[in-house]
Amino acid sequence: EVQLLESGGGLVQPGGSLRLSCAASGFTFSSYAMSWVRQAPGKGLEWVSGIKSGGRTYYADSVRGRFTISRDNSKNALFLQMNSLRAEDTAAYYCVNQLGNCDSTSCPYYFDSWGQGTLVAVSS
Amino acid sequence: SYVLTQPPSVSVAPGKTATVTCGGNNIGGKSVHWYQQKPGQAPVVVIYYDSDRPSGIPERFSGSNSGNTATLTISRVEAGDEADYYCQVWDSNTDQWLFGGGTKLTVL
Repeated sequence: EVQLLESGGGLVQPGGSLRLSCAASGFTFSSYAMSWVRQAPGKGLEWVSGIKSGGRTYYADSVRGRFTISRDNSKNALFLQMNSLRAEDTAAYYCVNQLGNCDSTSCPYYFDSWGQGTLVAVSS
Repeated sequence: SYVLTQPPSVSVAPGKTATVTCGGNNIGGKSVHWYQQKPGQAPVVVIYYDSDRPSGIPERFSGSNSGNTATLTISRVEAGDEADYYCQVWDSNTDQWLFGGGTKLTVL
């Protein structure tokens, strides 16, 4: 059974930093693309960042330059370093594994298994 | 950037058919995935690659995609289908995965 367990959320002041972690189990972590998806209170889903099995990274316009995604395949772990945090980054952050077909020009993965999320609150 | 448009809400009586749409410029040329999210829970994929259904998802859930509209159809709607539904695509122009704004399905 796939399990994704997020940690690292909390309350941080605007301009501050947080590092989210996701511990993965139940599948061959190194073979799969992974992403972070967030959901602000009462709002819809927003994809934040993704990383393919080979390490190529992707970012939403709203976080590019402030957030950095990484993975440690030896530890089955996914990370999201969040810097220069803003009030609008307040959300539940989900760790998700991605399945499907991907080539050099198109990557229409879908989001398969989701963690339960970790809450990030940015407020003074 | 590419925009996915969903109606904010859809209402349907039990036993009837619910249709949730997802509009986008030539979305028929993209692969569309659909997610169900119930209150306090993480989302669950209910349709992937336009019309494929994961194991464990009832056959009552189906999907189609053509032209400028993708559609999630739920037949014989049950009270337990009440949830938020999101469509999602890959935007090759920006190398980003995108979600629609979500549709709240209410079972009357």
